[in-house]
Amino acid sequence: DIRLTQSPSFLSASVGDRVTITCRASQGINTFLAWYQQKPGKAPKLLIYAASTLHSGVPSRFSGSGSGTDFTLTISGLQPEDFATYFCQQLNSYSYTFGQGTKLEIK
Amino acid sequence: EVQLVQSGAEVKKPGESLKISCRGSGYTFVTKWIAWVRQMPGKGLEWMGIIYPRDSDTRYSPSFQGRVTISAAKSTSTAFLQLNNLRASDTAMYYCARQDIFFFNDNTYYSWDSWGQGTMVTVSS
Repeated sequence: DIRLTQSPSFLSASVGDRVTITCRASQGINTFLAWYQQKPGKAPKLLIYAASTLHSGVPSRFSGSGSGTDFTLTISGLQPEDFATYFCQQLNSYSYTFGQGTKLEIK
Repeated sequence: EVQLVQSGAEVKKPGESLKISCRGSGYTFVTKWIAWVRQMPGKGLEWMGIIYPRDSDTRYSPSFQGRVTISAAKSTSTAFLQLNNLRASDTAMYYCARQDIFFFNDNTYYSWDSWGQGTMVTVSS
């Protein structure tokens, strides 16, 4: 199974900051990677797919990059509603593992 | 508007079975795979399995193979997740999600673009 490791697991930041979350795959996955945001008590929401394509309706302050084994999610200019937990997911031929999550908290 | 609506919370005893549902609307249900995801309290997301409602082609995560059964009813645009021989460690939120597909540069990309609201399952004696 392909494993995804996110870093950091916890991140403290302020409104207006630029933050980056990293997701590393245990083997190459091309750009078959998505990012999700989850708030407490709510279902995850799709942010980015194919490593860098912004899902419809997602603010442009979110961006993704990477291919192969190393990927990043960047939020430029944090807003109060961005404080949540973020997960990466690899989607490759009926294999859909998630990273362990990164909790983004207000400093 | 695409919507996935899941059945309500369940409380079960160890050893019992459970079947929860996920009804899709706002799109042609049979044309998109539906996945099931487990989230234990305070933990991350775990893929359980996925079904293509048009022909009921189903794939399971190795971690859940043999313990769960996923099915779909085309007539009611509903997918189901069945868990047998429940144990306390099955206490979790269960989500369904729709898989969308996107073609680019000779590659096929997937994303889980719509999710149900979740079904909380509590297993306790």
